[in-house]
Amino acid sequence: DAEITQSPRHKITETGRQVTLACHQTWNHNNMFWYRQDLGHGLRLIHYSYGVQDTNKGEVSDGYSVSRSNTEDLPLTLESAASSQTSVYFCASSESEVAGSYNEQFFGPGTRLTVL
Amino acid sequence: AQSVTQLGSHVSVSEGALVLLRCNYSSSVPPYLFWYVQYPNQGLQLLLKYTSAATLVKGINGFEAEFKKSETSFHLTKPSAHMSDAAEYFCAVSERSGNNRLAFGKGNQVVVIP
Repeated sequence: DAEITQSPRHKITETGRQVTLACHQTWNHNNMFWYRQDLGHGLRLIHYSYGVQDTNKGEVSDGYSVSRSNTEDLPLTLESAASSQTSVYFCASSESEVAGSYNEQFFGPGTRLTVL
Repeated sequence: AQSVTQLGSHVSVSEGALVLLRCNYSSSVPPYLFWYVQYPNQGLQLLLKYTSAATLVKGINGFEAEFKKSETSFHLTKPSAHMSDAAEYFCAVSERSGNNRLAFGKGNQVVVIP
């Protein structure tokens, strides 16, 4: 069955370190998204991609970067981790939207990141 | 930018009682609207969605929501709560522009009291 996976599921790191969170989907979806979930804020969009070599900033992109070298993967990098980036991170994917329709986003299980 | 408002971070409901979660959106053009559910330590799962036509939308697990343009609302209901409904619920909105991006509300943590 097609799926979307995230790794690691849990990560503890130190302030200032570079961290990369992996997201892999086997649906062959063009669209991929990264969100962070914080108490009282719901989910907020960090970065998104509509296809290979395409990346875009979301509402909370500072301190994060992504790259899209193939359809299946969209890794999220924290260049220099900060305590404010302690959060639960979710990856999602969807098919490209056609005018007049909407394609569901499928979510991964999440990565819990703690920055000490 | 489009947004949704969910009031009351925690909602307690007795088993067998009505579940009502409120969601209001801000948009000049009716958007796509969604309700997602998140069980403990899991990702989000789509409960139901409003994309066009029918204003009363039925979803999984006995939930339904009604789109009311005049009230800019998309409230989620379930007639009789089960213990298994204890979870966090998020309302979300997406523009009808083809960008497929979601903006989420802050969520409601539902506690079901036996």
